[in-house]
Amino acid sequence: DSGVTQTPKHLITATGQRVTLRCSPRSGDLSVYWYQQSLDQGLQFLIQYYNGEERAKGNILERFSAQQFPDLHSELNLSSLELGDSALYFCASSEYNEQFFGPGTRLTVL
Amino acid sequence: DAKTTQPPSMDCAEGRAANLPCNHSTISGNEYVYWYRQIHSQGPQYIIHGLKNNETNEMASLIITEDRKSSTLILPHATLRDTAVYYCIVRVAMDSSYKLIFGSGTRLLVRP
Repeated sequence: DSGVTQTPKHLITATGQRVTLRCSPRSGDLSVYWYQQSLDQGLQFLIQYYNGEERAKGNILERFSAQQFPDLHSELNLSSLELGDSALYFCASSEYNEQFFGPGTRLTVL
Repeated sequence: DAKTTQPPSMDCAEGRAANLPCNHSTISGNEYVYWYRQIHSQGPQYIIHGLKNNETNEMASLIITEDRKSSTLILPHATLRDTAVYYCIVRVAMDSSYKLIFGSGTRLLVRP
């Protein structure tokens, strides 16, 4: 158990819909990272927040957005969903060098 | 744009050492080498990281060549629970932060 929690574990929705994935970092960790893992792309870094502010951006689509709240939990919002957005979405948190990953949210877009 | 190259798969016998190689010939002087593993579809698990010197912890040892163009992760006594995909990663600096760029990894199968 990494100490990072993600909800929900599974999410099934239809194309065109919008969903929100939630992540609670380890106690004391200020940084939260979001990753997408699909079968054909592997693990892709999406975005990082540090203490409420966006710190780094990766391959995140414009349809996707994230935020980190004052209590340090983070949400990843995915809108206008397409079939290709079906994937595992992981968040990770860190204090210094190690990133601790949560169990992931499996998103299925039908 | 992964900066590492790993064999797609390897196997080893339970109880023996597993040596997983990684090439990172374009690594920059201040970029760290990280190793993570992923068991089934669980979240990746941190194993070890290093810059220049060899490193050892309770899970594994990391041997980095002097020119830093390659490294080897050593699991000294592999068990069946070590069967996983192992990712060798170069940590890339980005402005005031960094990102981990995962490649395809090595699928390690530990045989009974």
